[in-house]
Amino acid sequence: GIQVEQSPPDLILQEGANSTLRCNFSDSVNNLQWFHQNPWGQLINLFYIPSGTKQNGRLSATTVATERYSLLYISSSQTTDSGVYFCAVDLIAGQAGTALIFGKGTTLSVSS
Amino acid sequence: ETGVTQTPRHLVMGMTNKKSLKCEQHLGHNAMYWYKQSAKKPLELMFVYNFKEQTENNSVPSRFSPECPNSSHLFLHLHTLQPEDSALYLCASSPGQEQYFGPGTRLTVT
Repeated sequence: GIQVEQSPPDLILQEGANSTLRCNFSDSVNNLQWFHQNPWGQLINLFYIPSGTKQNGRLSATTVATERYSLLYISSSQTTDSGVYFCAVDLIAGQAGTALIFGKGTTLSVSS
Repeated sequence: ETGVTQTPRHLVMGMTNKKSLKCEQHLGHNAMYWYKQSAKKPLELMFVYNFKEQTENNSVPSRFSPECPNSSHLFLHLHTLQPEDSALYLCASSPGQEQYFGPGTRLTVT
């Protein structure tokens, strides 16, 4: 099956620093999502980005589907950015009800 | 707040108990999912329902029994669980490909 690998597994930052999280996947995908899991377990949608680049405030993401990777950029990090960031993909185009395959996540800790 | 709600948020149950987890969405989504997140492991799919029909069962033990009475509600019935079933159980829904998750039920089996 498809493999989803995220790096780095852990990241420690000072408030205000920038960071880049990477997601590599082993097969062509039709859906790619980035999530932030807060300390209470809630998965918060960051980006739906099967290809291209999107920006939302201090966060942006780029997916290069032909090279099978996606990057999540966090600029001017804040303590509230702490948590686990997951990349998830699925393989089937244009169809609801297909499973997301998750990476193991990057655990980000931002200190003041 | 994604519009997907789950109850209860926390549950402690003995191995001989029977309990149910509930998931609800009024977003008009047709697909609903149960995922399991165990400590130190990636989230893994358990079940998928599309238009109330189960379309995927990811080799889940029969002590977990899903039910989808309509497109807005999804249940996970639990019976004779094992301590290793302790985990965060997450429900999701989707209108197409993008999935939206509920806050989860943190289950502890004693």
